[in-house]
Amino acid sequence: QVQLRESGPGLVKPSETLSLTCTVSGDSINTYYWSWIRQPPGKGLEWLGYVFNSGSANHNPSLKRRVSISIDTSLNQFSLYLTSVTAADTAVYYCARTNWNYYYFDYWGQGTLVTVSS
Amino acid sequence: EIVLTQSPGTLSLSPGERATLSCRASQSVSSSYLVWYQQKPGQAPRLLIYSASSRATGIPDRFSGSGSGTDFTLTISRLEPEDFAVYYCQHYDTSRLTFGGGTKVEIK
Repeated sequence: QVQLRESGPGLVKPSETLSLTCTVSGDSINTYYWSWIRQPPGKGLEWLGYVFNSGSANHNPSLKRRVSISIDTSLNQFSLYLTSVTAADTAVYYCARTNWNYYYFDYWGQGTLVTVSS
Repeated sequence: EIVLTQSPGTLSLSPGERATLSCRASQSVSSSYLVWYQQKPGQAPRLLIYSASSRATGIPDRFSGSGSGTDFTLTISRLEPEDFAVYYCQHYDTSRLTFGGGTKVEIK
């Protein structure tokens, strides 16, 4: 059974960097792509980016280069970094396994709420 | 940038009724990359349909997807109590993944 679990601070100050880690169990991170998606309270879903096992990543251009994603295959983890956060970055952040043939998200973490506030 | 517009915003129906949800793309897209999800309050989205019409593992056959070009549809043939939720479409194109704004299916 594939499981993903997000971890990281639930509160980040404005202008600082949001950092989250997703730990994958039940599957090797060397297969598939691995994505981050977020959902502001009461709003819709926004894809942030995905990473491959090689470490190459693809990010949502709307985030203007504030986002980066890295992978640690030895720990079966991948991480999200979002710089210069504002209140608009307050959201539930999900990690998800991404099928590389059809680009769908088939396994998701339970999500973690990150609030940006001083 | 492809924009996905879902309609209606809210669909009020009774259990047993048929639900028809629309996802319209701002330009013609490949149906191979059109996906539907269901999300219930406090939960992560759940994959329902991929490649416009292929049901994901374990999804009941009352859920079906169709469409091509710019117009795609998710149909729930007979609503069960557990089907009342928010539904999102999603698409992939040139290294970018995009979600629609969602349709809420609520109990009438």
